[in-house]
Amino acid sequence: QSVLTQPPSASGTPGQRVTISCSGRSSNIGSNTVNWYQQLPGTAPKLLIYSNDQRPSGVPDRFSGSKSGTSASLAISGLQSEDEADYYCAAWDDSLKVVFGGGTKLTVL
Amino acid sequence: EVQLVESGGGLVQPGGSLRLSCAASGFTFNIYAMSWVRQAPGKGLEWVSTISGSGGGTFYAGSVKGRFTISRDNSKNTLYLQMNSLRAEDTAVFYCAKVRSSSTGSSHFEYWGQGTLVTVSS
Repeated sequence: QSVLTQPPSASGTPGQRVTISCSGRSSNIGSNTVNWYQQLPGTAPKLLIYSNDQRPSGVPDRFSGSKSGTSASLAISGLQSEDEADYYCAAWDDSLKVVFGGGTKLTVL
Repeated sequence: EVQLVESGGGLVQPGGSLRLSCAASGFTFNIYAMSWVRQAPGKGLEWVSTISGSGGGTFYAGSVKGRFTISRDNSKNTLYLQMNSLRAEDTAVFYCAKVRSSSTGSSHFEYWGQGTLVTVSS
């Protein structure tokens, strides 16, 4: 069982806006920044959002992140078929470890 | 261009050992912390270990502490993971990842390798 809690699945139609939640505790999300990773089928994970709400160069502005208290969210607007992937949140935990969410499989209908 | 290339995976019997390597290029290796993250077949990501840029600081997941040892050779721009007393539940693709900072206390994995598969089975 993962330390950070994500919904196992999410879906939307092309053009829709989808959000994926990530819930943690005061020792991880509550006191450290959240990063999000996208893993396309059969590939290595890729950094999608860092420091709660920052996009690395090359990541479309359709992707956005936010954090409030012990929860974080990833939003994808203008959903596209190529966004179909697994999405993971991660944070440093003050017990000296990195914790990941269990992952959310996004399906574009 | 940052490149991370893992090697050393394969089939090993329960109780056996294996050493993974990750050859890094395209950045000043000794400045940045490095990590190993694994993914069991059909499962999610699990952090394994992180080492500081100098190699002087290391952290491990509870599931591997005492069995796995992370190390690095900054003269060779290479990260290692020595895995001993392997169990069936260690079967996974192991990724090496570059941490955004020199700090070990981070989940900001800026770049990832393509992964190497470790299978523990008799």
